Amino acid sequence: NAGVTQTPKFRILKIGQSMTLQCTQDMNHNYMYWYRQDPGMGLKLIYYSVGAGITDKGEVPNGYNVSRSTTEDFPLRLELAAPSQTSVYFCASSSGLEKLFFGSGTQLSVL
Amino acid sequence: AQSVSQHNHHVILSEAASLELGCNYSYGGTVNLFWYVQYPGQHLQLLLKYFSGDPLVKGIKGFEAEFIKSKFSFNLRKPSVQWSDTAEYFCAVNRYGGSQGNLIFGKGTKLSVKP
Repeated sequence: NAGVTQTPKFRILKIGQSMTLQCTQDMNHNYMYWYRQDPGMGLKLIYYSVGAGITDKGEVPNGYNVSRSTTEDFPLRLELAAPSQTSVYFCASSSGLEKLFFGSGTQLSVL
Repeated sequence: AQSVSQHNHHVILSEAASLELGCNYSYGGTVNLFWYVQYPGQHLQLLLKYFSGDPLVKGIKGFEAEFIKSKFSFNLRKPSVQWSDTAEYFCAVNRYGGSQGNLIFGKGTKLSVKP
């Protein structure tokens, strides 16, 4: 059972470039989340989804977009990368609030 | 705004020492409380959670946490740490009945255990 799979694991972007972070889960979870983790700052919620076709903003959504066309996939899009988006990004899923299952993370640097 | 405070940024202990990591939250209503752990090179995983009932909850690997409502606290404890407990620990809070996405994390506490 793969759980939550994120790709890529590492990426370097130039300022102004765009990219999509992929997230797939195989547990048939309705809820999916994107967090960013900055050193010494804990995790901040970017966007979340409670089911296919439904997404909502979290605490720090600016500069990001998401879509949820299927239960399994929840990609995160950066349209115009900025140095402030240098971070580690975690995707997570859950069937409710009992427990979040996290992916292994994507380390993104914007230079 | 709801917030979570973890008092210690970095804790260094020797093996067999006792551990207590502080966590306080700011929301005054009913809450759900969590501790997550991130071992070096691994993803976050749930250590323990409190939803209701006995305020002393036990998690994996000998960890426990006590919910003290009057102090808005949910401190994590372990009587005797091991080198393998070296990790970063995150306290998280969700307002009961709130949006599923409304899980607020603290800034984390790094625990280093010396062999």
